[in-house]
Amino acid sequence: QVQLQESGPGLVKPSETLSLTCNVSGGSISTYYWTWLRQSPGKGLEYLGYVYYTGTTNYNPSLKSRVTMSVDTSKNQFSLKLSSLTAADTAVYYCARDQSSYGSGTFDIWGQGTKVSVSS
Amino acid sequence: QSVLTQPSSVSEAPRQRVTISCSGSTSNIGKNAVYWYQQFPGKAPTLLIYYDDILPPGVSDRFSGSKSGTSASLAISGLQSEDEGDYYCAAWDDSLNVVVFGGGTKLTVL
Repeated sequence: QVQLQESGPGLVKPSETLSLTCNVSGGSISTYYWTWLRQSPGKGLEYLGYVYYTGTTNYNPSLKSRVTMSVDTSKNQFSLKLSSLTAADTAVYYCARDQSSYGSGTFDIWGQGTKVSVSS
Repeated sequence: QSVLTQPSSVSEAPRQRVTISCSGSTSNIGKNAVYWYQQFPGKAPTLLIYYDDILPPGVSDRFSGSKSGTSASLAISGLQSEDEGDYYCAAWDDSLNVVVFGGGTKLTVL
């Protein structure tokens, strides 16, 4: 079955750029929308955006100027870059597969999540 | 403040039925499918209900979803202690062009 696994640094300094990768195993990335979400400590879920397997992206406007998502079909993985980090970006970051037709929210498979702290 | 509004907590006794409400607007729940996610402490969320009322394979039929206008509900019947956790509703928002979530509801089985 398809599994997702996030990887990246657990600690990043303020003003730096966070880079996370989500590896897709057990199936091809060349279908579906691939999504990033995050959950701040003790808070709810926040949608960051998606990258379609063709490379088409949609970002949360609240982050639009700071976020970049990309897909590498040859490696069966997709990535998130978030720049100009502040303490408010401290969160558990999840990658997820969206199996809906339009990337509208059917997150049927999730990674286990990776905790990212922004601190000097 | 979350775009979708859920009660912060609900509680009920074992074997009883509980409902969790989710209130939105015409730009999200009123026009688009509603999703429900279940999350246990330290774990990733899992899809519980999609397209308003459809259960993914493997989800117990004790869970059901419904929608009316700009509100949706998740019902859990025959409550069990293993149902304790956080429940989130979600929907695409046509105005914001993002998936929006409720703030989450913590379910306690007394």
